[in-house]
Amino acid sequence: QKEVEQNSGPLSVPEGAIASLNCTYSDRVSQSFFWYRQYSGKSPELIMSIYSNGDKEDGRFTAQLNKASQYVSLLIRDSQPSDSATYLCAVTIQGAQKLVFGQGTRLTINP
Amino acid sequence: DGGITQSPKYLFRKEGQNVTLSCEQNLNHDAMYWYRQDPGQGLRLIYYSQIVNDFQKGDIAEGYSVSREKKESFPLTVTSAQKNPTAFYLCATRSRFSISYEQYFGPGTRLTVT
Repeated sequence: QKEVEQNSGPLSVPEGAIASLNCTYSDRVSQSFFWYRQYSGKSPELIMSIYSNGDKEDGRFTAQLNKASQYVSLLIRDSQPSDSATYLCAVTIQGAQKLVFGQGTRLTINP
Repeated sequence: DGGITQSPKYLFRKEGQNVTLSCEQNLNHDAMYWYRQDPGQGLRLIYYSQIVNDFQKGDIAEGYSVSREKKESFPLTVTSAQKNPTAFYLCATRSRFSISYEQYFGPGTRLTVT
């Protein structure tokens, strides 16, 4: 089992709809969880971080964490074509010295 | 202008040659990381360093070497022993005293070996 798993997609969502991205992880002691956005040919950009169970909202983005079920998700409301990118889920391991990344989900927002 | 710089943006080398990728930061971050990304893949950790003059192997260190002589710099050498060096290389940093453990990435170097 991979340490961090994501559906590689592609995930296609119409403009204005909600995009839902999911991620599961295997290490029960992981404490910090991150979502990065990566445009084609560019480096990853941190867009959300979450540390406790529940929801965390930042503008159109909502991160959801459920430690008991070992999953973290990212919701993008009112999706825009500029949200089209690959979204990487990352989880801390080994006392947070390291991050482990999922393979990423490619999201396409259709106008 | 604060941030993380990686140079060059694109690098071409012949097989059998060693090549060194630069990563410099002026964020005063203690921890620095090197990742490799292949097409359609996530990031894989090559090496990381928490403090000057100390570094640890990541998951795919074979064929790579690093040094950390200065806080600001963490160069990565891709040696001829690396069997498939063509990839997108990313440097990241983290503040040692950050409670959030977030890592921030430089713009990356795309290496092509033929």
